[in-house]
Amino acid sequence: SQQGEEDPQALSIQEGENATMNCSYKTSINNLQWYRQNSGRGLVHLILIRSNEREKHSGRLRVTLDTSKKSSSLLITASRAADTASYFCATDADNAGNMLTFGGGTRLMVKP
Amino acid sequence: GAGVSQSPRYKVTKRGQDVALRCDPISGHVSLYWYRQALGQGPEFLTYFNYEAQQDKSGLPNDRFSAERPEGSISTLTIQRTEQRDSAMYRCASSQEGPYEQYFGPGTRLTVT
Repeated sequence: SQQGEEDPQALSIQEGENATMNCSYKTSINNLQWYRQNSGRGLVHLILIRSNEREKHSGRLRVTLDTSKKSSSLLITASRAADTASYFCATDADNAGNMLTFGGGTRLMVKP
Repeated sequence: GAGVSQSPRYKVTKRGQDVALRCDPISGHVSLYWYRQALGQGPEFLTYFNYEAQQDKSGLPNDRFSAERPEGSISTLTIQRTEQRDSAMYRCASSQEGPYEQYFGPGTRLTVT
């Protein structure tokens, strides 16, 4: 079963615009991780945010976490065509070892 | 350093055959995970190891699936008597012990005909 649910399922924007993807989950967590996947290829780790953190930045990426609402968001600023990919959130539940539970992903298309 | 490697990258097998998928984790990573990903979906957990000990195998679909990591490094996922529904991308990941970033390999695309 998939704990995380991404919203929207698909997003199409113009290059230069910002893209925001949301993730909701059900159980308490140790951390939440975001991954990128290009055209069914490898999963690239983007950022990890721990349950006691509220916001994290990495380059053009900004991740927020609201544990009271059990939700997270990924913001990509000044998007580029190369950002076109599927983005997945994955949760590391705090009573389930360290296995990750992934959502279904958001398919982002950035048009040049 | 080198990332997670998996072999073979592609495997086509006939229904009823056994297959073995190999994962070589990042050097020094204690934890190793196996996931399965269907097209258009996120990966689903199968099993994981800390060192050579299998910590959780709750995600293995049935007893045709097994995994081992005898020396705490390379791991093998074995599927016996393959069925068409086993066709998927099988992904391996490794991490330091504990709730840390997991780094994924390129995956093995299994097709059962």
